Amino acid sequence: GESVGLHLPTLSVQEGDNSIINCAYSNSASDYFIWYKQESGKGPQFIIDIRSNMDKRQGQRVTVLLNKTVKHLSLQIAATQPGDSAVYFCAEIISGGYQKVTFGTGTKLQVIP
Amino acid sequence: GAVVSQHPSRVICKSGTSVKIECRSLDFQATTMFWYRQFPKQSLMLMATSNEGSKATYEQGVEKDKFLINHASLTLSTLTVTSAHPEDSSFYICSARESGTKNTDTQYFGPGTRLTVL
Repeated sequence: GESVGLHLPTLSVQEGDNSIINCAYSNSASDYFIWYKQESGKGPQFIIDIRSNMDKRQGQRVTVLLNKTVKHLSLQIAATQPGDSAVYFCAEIISGGYQKVTFGTGTKLQVIP
Repeated sequence: GAVVSQHPSRVICKSGTSVKIECRSLDFQATTMFWYRQFPKQSLMLMATSNEGSKATYEQGVEKDKFLINHASLTLSTLTVTSAHPEDSSFYICSARESGTKNTDTQYFGPGTRLTVL
């Protein structure tokens, strides 16, 4: 299943399928990006990050893709599991200084068993 | 990994009272901490940046006299919601940036504090 940026706040996928969550960031000066997972009633949990000198980074079951030309990030989750159900936020940061984190609007991922 | 705690996790108070929320970095020092506010089904909105030993920097539209921030040590920042009203009911989350390490870009988030003002 695939979300279409910020206008589709909920993404439902079958367990075992791959998920793709998209995010459009706003500031072309941002050079560091993070995906966070937030479960209900909890704080954000770091998933994976990427710097602007890269266009792809892989973790365990997760991959982040960065397209600076169109200011677009995506998070790919392989073999989605029920425990992946949460809200996912992309965050953009300008390194240096106070490094303020600006969060995207988020996408809720629902995994159907 | 680095752990950030918040206390209390939930608080219910009467309108007009003040509420203090603590944010602690448990196993690292944090020169800078951040306070966020999150309404239901919405994203996190940065309220202020808290720097140890100096005044906090507030985001536009955030009343500094209403949301008092104190960052008295490298492991503790507090947010006090003064004269709370029902519209202040929200989920307040802090984050901390580790000082003195190679990777100072990563922020570690606390578990959040649910404030309900009656």
